[in-house]
Amino acid sequence: DAGITQSPRHKVTETGTPVTLRCHQTENHRYMYWYRQDPGHGLRLIHYSYGVKDTDKGEVSDGYSVSRSKTEDFLLTLESATSSQTSVYFCAISQAGVRYGYTFGSGTRLTVV
Amino acid sequence: DQQVKQNSPSLSVQEGRISILNCDYTNSMFDYFLWYKKYPAEGPTFLISISSIKDKNEDGRFTVFLNKSAKHLSLHIVPSQPGDSAVYFCAASAQSGTSYGKLTFGQGTILTVHP
Repeated sequence: DAGITQSPRHKVTETGTPVTLRCHQTENHRYMYWYRQDPGHGLRLIHYSYGVKDTDKGEVSDGYSVSRSKTEDFLLTLESATSSQTSVYFCAISQAGVRYGYTFGSGTRLTVV
Repeated sequence: DQQVKQNSPSLSVQEGRISILNCDYTNSMFDYFLWYKKYPAEGPTFLISISSIKDKNEDGRFTVFLNKSAKHLSLHIVPSQPGDSAVYFCAASAQSGTSYGKLTFGQGTILTVHP
């Protein structure tokens, strides 16, 4: 989707290294979310943001941190990557909460070896 | 604690027939439900939604039914087309409580429509 981009699209990293995934939007939407997708679990919320410097934890936040210093960028950091964090990560944006739906990015496939 | 459950990992349907995807939820605070469709190597895209004040919402070939007493919703696709082959996620949100403002997703169902 042209309004939201994730980078990188693919990454392989070693256990114990820090990793940062970037989500960039051009829609000026207030709400941004990070999800991970795993077989048998669907999409699970990691962290979300309601605005600049306003973030909160989701259901699977352990081992992850986020930052949002500008409206358009939402960064997800794996402090010290573990094999259990091998997953596909999706960023989503929303104009005014869930009633207006989410727009998802194309995802980042992260492999921790 | 899976609050939104899609108990069928996969569904196979012949082209032209009806596809019925099911979803159950446990959180009685959920009051808004959505279906998302996902193709490989792409992000999920919004398909259709329903508020808890309704029991049915229709959009072209797609209809979502909500049974609040059973905490169950279903997505009907009629007629099914090969291009409908994808992973379908059910999602829910609440107006208050810990699920406010966030979507909780089910595990997904892989739909395959055979020509």
